Amino acid sequence: GESVGLHLPTLSVQEGDNSIINCAYSNSASDYFIWYKQESGKGPQFIIDIRSNMDKRQGQRVTVLLNKTVKHLSLQIAATQPGDSAVYFCAENIRNAGNMLTFGGGTRLMVKP
Amino acid sequence: EAEVAQSPRYKITEKSQAVAFWCDPISGHATLYWYRQILGQGPELLVQFQDESVVDDSQLPKDRFSAERLKGVDSTLKIQPAELGDSAMYLCASSLAPQGRNSPLHFGNGTRLTVT
Repeated sequence: GESVGLHLPTLSVQEGDNSIINCAYSNSASDYFIWYKQESGKGPQFIIDIRSNMDKRQGQRVTVLLNKTVKHLSLQIAATQPGDSAVYFCAENIRNAGNMLTFGGGTRLMVKP
Repeated sequence: EAEVAQSPRYKITEKSQAVAFWCDPISGHATLYWYRQILGQGPELLVQFQDESVVDDSQLPKDRFSAERLKGVDSTLKIQPAELGDSAMYLCASSLAPQGRNSPLHFGNGTRLTVT
């Protein structure tokens, strides 16, 4: 069935560099997307969300980009810090699916000091 | 900041035994979810409640799993009998928005279940 997926399972970056985590989705009826950060032994933590009527949304040090043409979502983290090391999940909500999120498989971000 | 509370944090049980997990959502959140997360994978929805009513339990293995939210506040997820393949993290989440409204889910720190 249609699902959310990620291109890279592991991303290693140098502290201070920018990180880009990518996500592909295949359901054209998806209209809401969320990025979550999950540290070891903890539940997913909300980072940022974006609705399908937007192409870009910025938060503190994070930016989410949505390209509906190619069904692609990305999370950009500026000036990556050791505390950013975690697994990052994108999740999609299919229109009229009752606020039920479908998660991708996750990308592990490792920040080298 | 308000949090979703879950207990216990860890549970070890033998196969064929019964096990139960508890969740207290953020106050005022009408929508509550139970997800299962296998190590290295994303969470998968088991059941969704709107107040005390089940909205979706299509992915809940009903021969052994049950969930309830009797007063529309806290919730319990039960497995009986537990099987080896049930070993996973069980996550509870809540949302302020009612069904059909897009809004972030707020997760608890989960219960790590190990079935031996």
